[in-house]
Amino acid sequence: EAQVTQNPRYLITVTGKKLTVTCSQNMNHEYMSWYRQDPGLGLRQIYYSMNVEVTDKGDVPEGYKVSRKEKRNFPLILESPSPNQTSLYFCASSPGQVLTDTQYFGPGTRLTVL
Amino acid sequence: AQSVTQLDSQVPVFEEAPVELRCNYSSSVSVYLFWYVQYPNQGLQLLLKYLSGSTLVKGINGFEAEFNKSQTSFHLRKPSVHISDTAEYFCAVSVGYKLSFGAGTTVTVRA
Repeated sequence: EAQVTQNPRYLITVTGKKLTVTCSQNMNHEYMSWYRQDPGLGLRQIYYSMNVEVTDKGDVPEGYKVSRKEKRNFPLILESPSPNQTSLYFCASSPGQVLTDTQYFGPGTRLTVL
Repeated sequence: AQSVTQLDSQVPVFEEAPVELRCNYSSSVSVYLFWYVQYPNQGLQLLLKYLSGSTLVKGINGFEAEFNKSQTSFHLRKPSVHISDTAEYFCAVSVGYKLSFGAGTTVTVRA
């Protein structure tokens, strides 16, 4: 089944404790992206990747890191999480490099930073 | 940079009634336009998109949207809603590699 998977789905952590949220797609898509969803703000793009080893900042990259060493994986790293990073996070992938194609979204990761 | 404004944060509607969700965008360059839907506790899925050509775009589940370049709008419509259409709807615009979403419109369909 074609899908985007994220792990973990739920995470409660404390300020400053490094964490990684994994994202994997099995559709051989070029483009992958991370978003955070907050009430009243919709989804905001954190980082995106056009291909392996090619990443760039979205609208809200502060406090986050990403890497794209393999085509299928695009982990999101929070080196020192803070309470303002409490949010619902979505990973997405798309076949092409520019966003004319449909993006396929993962199920989301709900992160709480205490 | 592009931006998206969804003019209604909440839209209550009765079953079998029509619904319209309004979306305006701003951009200094040509954009691609999308509507996504998020059902409760799920990820987003594409309803429809406008890339070029006919300004009336038909999507899944009976939804359609009309692109109006002069008014920089991309409003979403459905002539008759069902209880299962209860969800949050997001308008989005893309330029190049970046995608910007509106704040979302919550549609609640009542019997």
